[in-house]
Amino acid sequence: DQQVKQNSPSLSVQEGRISILNCDYTNSMFDYFLWYKKYPAEGPTFLISISSIKDKNEDGRFTVFLNKSAKHLSLHIVPSQPGDSAVYFCAATSWGDDMRFGAGTRLTVKP
Amino acid sequence: DTEVTQTPKHLVMGMTNKKSLKCEQHMGHRAMYWYKQKAKKPPELMFVYSYEKLSINESVPSRFSPECPNSSLLNLHLHALQPEDSALYLCASSQPFAGTDTQYFGPGTRLTVL
Repeated sequence: DQQVKQNSPSLSVQEGRISILNCDYTNSMFDYFLWYKKYPAEGPTFLISISSIKDKNEDGRFTVFLNKSAKHLSLHIVPSQPGDSAVYFCAATSWGDDMRFGAGTRLTVKP
Repeated sequence: DTEVTQTPKHLVMGMTNKKSLKCEQHMGHRAMYWYKQKAKKPPELMFVYSYEKLSINESVPSRFSPECPNSSLLNLHLHALQPEDSALYLCASSQPFAGTDTQYFGPGTRLTVL
């Protein structure tokens, strides 16, 4: 039962353009959402998060948008850089519960 | 079937016990992973198996012993654990060298060491 879904396994964008990674969830009890970045042979590292009381959170080039009615969140990276090439995981949790991860999206930023 | 299953869901053990965590996937993935996750922290990579061979061991203490009996199964044998080993243990799988290393995570085993 995949409660968090990332339907695009891969995304390729040109350097300097916007990268948009999408994530859908099914559990309406989730109230905290996170994006992780992962390089090969390493564990995921935290990137940015958003609470369900917000619909947008921004940190430098990274912005996460949350649409609770659609149970959808997205990560925008502007401008994209080659160093952003990695696998990005969406995760969701509710207070006191375990975190659920999506399958990830591989982002490739071409110079 | 895009599911990774883990058993048991919860485990409580004493410091002298021996127990095992199990992970199973039937997606034909040939890479499987064990992660340890503390509350509200990202998962820490422990072991990676690629084609049933241990390819990465992230300096994990010997009280954790992984085993990959076949391409669908991954075990983590536990012995003489410490209370600080209490955590959520996540299993994941992926298809290596497929142009993407997106990983499917299992629901985890919540381990408590008394």
